[in-house]
Amino acid sequence: SQTIHQWPATLVQPVGSPLSLECTVEGTSNPNLYWYRQAAGRGLQLLFYSIGIGQISSEVPQNLSASRPQDRQFILSSKKLLLSDSGFYLCAWSAGTADGYTFGSGTRLTVV
Amino acid sequence: AQSVSQHNHHVILSEAASLELGCNYSYGGTVNLFWYVQYPGQHLQLLLKYFSGDPLVKGIKGFEAEFIKSKFSFNLRKPSVQWSDTAEYFCAVNPGNNAGNMLTFGGGTRLMVKP
Repeated sequence: SQTIHQWPATLVQPVGSPLSLECTVEGTSNPNLYWYRQAAGRGLQLLFYSIGIGQISSEVPQNLSASRPQDRQFILSSKKLLLSDSGFYLCAWSAGTADGYTFGSGTRLTVV
Repeated sequence: AQSVSQHNHHVILSEAASLELGCNYSYGGTVNLFWYVQYPGQHLQLLLKYFSGDPLVKGIKGFEAEFIKSKFSFNLRKPSVQWSDTAEYFCAVNPGNNAGNMLTFGGGTRLMVKP
C-alpha cells in the first residue's frame, strides 16, 4: 500500500536561517506531489506542485522553493526564513487527475 | 481562478443534532468535489468525493454531500452528529480538466460537538 512520510513534525528556526522539509512517498510511481501551507482560519494554500522529476510549478510567489530530485521525493526549501513563513506545512500526493489526495502528517514550523 | 467558500467558520452542536456545512465554489466548468476532515492531532483524511453520476454521495462515518450544479454548491450533511465528529472540515474543488490535479480548498469549518 502507498504511504507518505513527512519530516520533521515540528521545527523552530530563527529568522534568516535556511529551511529544508522533506516528503517521500512509497508504494507508487510517478505520483503528483504537492506542498500546501495551512494557516489558522485560512484553509490550505497550494504552494507548489510537481507532476514529474524536476518539474515544479509555483502557485504563490514567496520566500520558498521546491525541488523534486527523485520520483518520490519532494523537498520544500528556503534560503532565509521570514517570520511570516511560520505555519503548518503539508505534503500530499495523488495518482493523477480526478483523484483525491493523501496527506502527510505535516510539519509545524515556527520562525522566531 | 476558482475559489471555494465555506461560510461557517465555527459550528457548535450538541450530540444527535443534525449537521449541514455549506460549500460553494466559483468554477463554471466540470468539477470534481471533495470533503476532507482533520480530527484533532491527525492527518487530513478524505471524507467523500463526487466525480459524476448521482449528485448525492455517501462517505465514511455516516456523512453525505449533495452536489447542486445550479447553485455551485456541495454541502456536507450528517443526520445525527457524535462527539467524535469534532474536527475541522474542508471542502475542495478540482476542475475536471486540471492536468496537475490541483485542489483548491475552502477556509475550513471547525465543528465542535458537545456531549
